Amino acid sequence: SQQGEEDPQALSIQEGENATMNCSYKTSINNLQWYRQNSGRGLVHLILIRSNEREKHSGRLRVTLDTSKKSSSLLITASRAADTASYFCATANTGTASKLTFGTGTRLQVTL
Amino acid sequence: GAGVSQSPSNKVTEKGKDVELRCDPISGHTALYWYRQSLGQGLEFLIYFQGNSAPDKSGLPSDRFSAERTGGSVSTLTIQRTQQEDSAVYLCASRLDRGTEKLFFGSGTQLSVL
Repeated sequence: SQQGEEDPQALSIQEGENATMNCSYKTSINNLQWYRQNSGRGLVHLILIRSNEREKHSGRLRVTLDTSKKSSSLLITASRAADTASYFCATANTGTASKLTFGTGTRLQVTL
Repeated sequence: GAGVSQSPSNKVTEKGKDVELRCDPISGHTALYWYRQSLGQGLEFLIYFQGNSAPDKSGLPSDRFSAERTGGSVSTLTIQRTQQEDSAVYLCASRLDRGTEKLFFGSGTQLSVL
């Protein structure tokens, strides 16, 4: 079963704009991770935020976590055509911390 | 190796046949995961191996699915008597050890059951 639900399912923006994707989850977590997937194949890890953290930055990526609302957001600033991909959140739940449960993903299209 | 390697990259089979999918994790990684992704969907957890511990098989959808990990390295996912609903991309991922959470994924095997 899916733990996370991403919103929106699809997002289309122009190059240079910011892209914001949201993830909601259901149970208590140890950490939440974001991954990127190109062309429906292997995923690449982007960033991890722990349950005791509220915000984290990595380059053009900014992740926030609100454990009271069981939600996270991924912001990509100054988007590029190369950012076109699907983005997934994944949660490591307390009690089953070794098993990552993935959300349904957001398909991001960045146009020139 | 440099990354997680999966083979074959594509597999077409007939309904009722058995298939074996292979995963070579990154050398030294103790944890190995199998996920399944149907077209346009998220990742569905199948099975998790950690060192010499008993695997977590809680995600296997039926007894037609099984997986082994020999010598703590290479893993094989076997699907017996394949059905059309088994068609999906099967993704393997490895992780260094319990103290790290980041997964490294292979490129997957696209399985098509006709």
